[in-house]
Parts: sequence; structure tokens; C-alpha cells
Amino acid sequence: DTGVSQDPRHKITKRGQNVTFRCDPISEHNRLYWYRQTLGQGPEFLTYFQNEAQLEKSRLLSDRFSAERPKGSFSTLEIQRTEQGDSAMYLCASSLRGHSSYNEQFFGPGTRLTVL
Amino acid sequence: AQSVSQHNHHVILSEAASLELGCNYSYGGTVNLFWYVQYPGQHLQLLLKYFSGDPLVKGIKGFEAEFIKSKFSFNLRKPSVQWSDTAEYFCAVNANTGGFKTIFGAGTRLFVKA
Repeated sequence: DTGVSQDPRHKITKRGQNVTFRCDPISEHNRLYWYRQTLGQGPEFLTYFQNEAQLEKSRLLSDRFSAERPKGSFSTLEIQRTEQGDSAMYLCASSLRGHSSYNEQFFGPGTRLTVL
Repeated sequence: AQSVSQHNHHVILSEAASLELGCNYSYGGTVNLFWYVQYPGQHLQLLLKYFSGDPLVKGIKGFEAEFIKSKFSFNLRKPSVQWSDTAEYFCAVNANTGGFKTIFGAGTRLFVKA
């Protein structure tokens, strides 16, 4: 399968613990996005990378959240001191930079986080 | 700030019925518009997109959408739905300013009765 992959698919943690999620984009894609989706809502933009540079961050991304894409390939999203409100599906998407400012985003299966 | 409003959260139709899902956005400038679909147990995937040109765009599986700039709308249509169209549909907008933040609507769950 050459699509976007995310690991783990499910994570259950206790409040206060740190968690880290990984996203592997489609290999030639240089743009990578993180979204959060809660029940009954659409995906909410969290952050965006072009290659290894983090170019845009949402105000939703509090100080407890950090994302990296060190070599411009895979990306990690870390949540420190998790809270119950962090329970959500975390989606990763990737796209290939082209002539337009936007290119089709291909989504991964998501990581479902449950904070007890 | 940009926002996207989808009019119906749940729609139930019988097979062969016509479908129209409403989507309105708020942004005064040039936008790129999208409909994404998520079939049960599958990833989000792009159904169709509008960047410029003909405001009536056609997507996969017989879907189409019409961009009406004066109404800030991008409604999704299909003349005759099938049971396999049961899914959740998301409208999304990206301001065509070189930024990359895409705003999604809350989604519409469509159930098609066989």
C-alpha cells in the first residue's frame, strides 16, 4: 500500500501522560498536514509542513502539542500532559506541491486517541 | 475568519432518489472548494474540487457540484443515488491566498436505503 500511513491506529492513555503519533506520507509528497477530528465535526487544521519546515500552525495547537518533520519525510505529533479533551481522531494528509497553492490532499486512516 | 456550513447533518434517501447537499462558506476573497467523502471504514477521499473556470464541476461516481459565487455556495448533487453512496460527505474551503489552511464543514451523513 503506497498511501499515507499512520501509527498507531488506536491509543488509549491516562490523563497526564505524553503520547506521540507518527505519519508516513506518500513518498514523493513534500507537503504534510495534521488535522484533529472530534465526533460530529469535520477535520480541524492543526499544522502544515512543506518539506521539513513547519509553515503554518493553528491556534488549536497549544503549547502541549508539538509536531516535527525532521528530514522532510515522516512526521511526528506529540501531545504532552494529555487531557480528556484531547480525545479525538488525529488525521494526517499529504500532497505534492504544484502550480496552484493547493493540491489534492491524500488522507491517512487516522490515529484514534482516548484519554482516560 | 473562514467558516463552512453544511445544512444537513443527516440525510436518508431511497435508492434512485436525487441528492443535493448544501454547503455555504464565509470568505470574501478567492477560494478553492472541495467535497470529500468518507465511506464506512475508509479514509477521507476527494470527491471533486473547484479552483477556477466552469462553476459546474464533475467528480467521481456521478457527483457534481455548482459554485455560485454570489451565494457563497458549493452544493453537491447526484441525480440518482445508490446504496453504495452511503457515507459521510464533507465540504471544505481553502482561501486562494497561498496559505494552506483548509476549513472543513461538520459533515453530512447520508444513508441510502436499498
